[in-house]
Amino acid sequence: GAVVSQHPSWVICKSGTSVKIECRSLDFQATTMFWYRQFPKQSLMLMATSNEGSKATYEQGVEKDKFLINHASLTLSTLTVTSAHPEDSSFYICSAKPTGINQPQHFGDGTRLSIL
Amino acid sequence: AQKITQTQPGMFVQEKEAVTLDCTYDTSDQSYGLFWYKQPSSGEMIFLIYQGSYDEQNATEGRYSLNFQKARKSANLVISASQLGDSAMYFCAMRAPNTGNQFYFGTGTSLTVIP
Repeated sequence: GAVVSQHPSWVICKSGTSVKIECRSLDFQATTMFWYRQFPKQSLMLMATSNEGSKATYEQGVEKDKFLINHASLTLSTLTVTSAHPEDSSFYICSAKPTGINQPQHFGDGTRLSIL
Repeated sequence: AQKITQTQPGMFVQEKEAVTLDCTYDTSDQSYGLFWYKQPSSGEMIFLIYQGSYDEQNATEGRYSLNFQKARKSANLVISASQLGDSAMYFCAMRAPNTGNQFYFGTGTSLTVIP
């Protein structure tokens, strides 16, 4: 089945640093990947749609300069949380969808980000 | 606007019993897809089952089946013979073509299987 790898699985860092999270589709090409944020006991909140070779499409209320997304190839998208602050602490999870209208989104295992 | 509603924040089921998790949706599209995902406490999202809007039969995948009632816009997940490992959050999601393949997720149902 389709596999999506997300790295790192958890990060603890100081306030003010930048953190990069990678999302890779291992056995299929993904022109579109998605980045979500999830707070405890809540649903997934779509942050942005990552488009290969073009700019990401951000959801309303998501700061583009804060959450930088790069989708440089058909198998890799990265999310960089710039100048992270404690309020950015959350669970971030990416997904990718193989070509085909009936295909599900396949998710990475998520990244738990803690900003001290 | 697309909308997914899961009205059961938490559910309990006895081991080996069946349980139904509710999901209703709202869309003006004729072509759409409905998905269920399981999220254990470890956090990963596991795809369970898919139902297309034009599928005439209810989808089944092992112990999972989807009770699809198009006129009522409901897509309930039925888990038969519950196991302790089924304890998790369950999310219903919908994909509609006009959204550029975005998925809209419900608020989830926390299922606890009691031994």
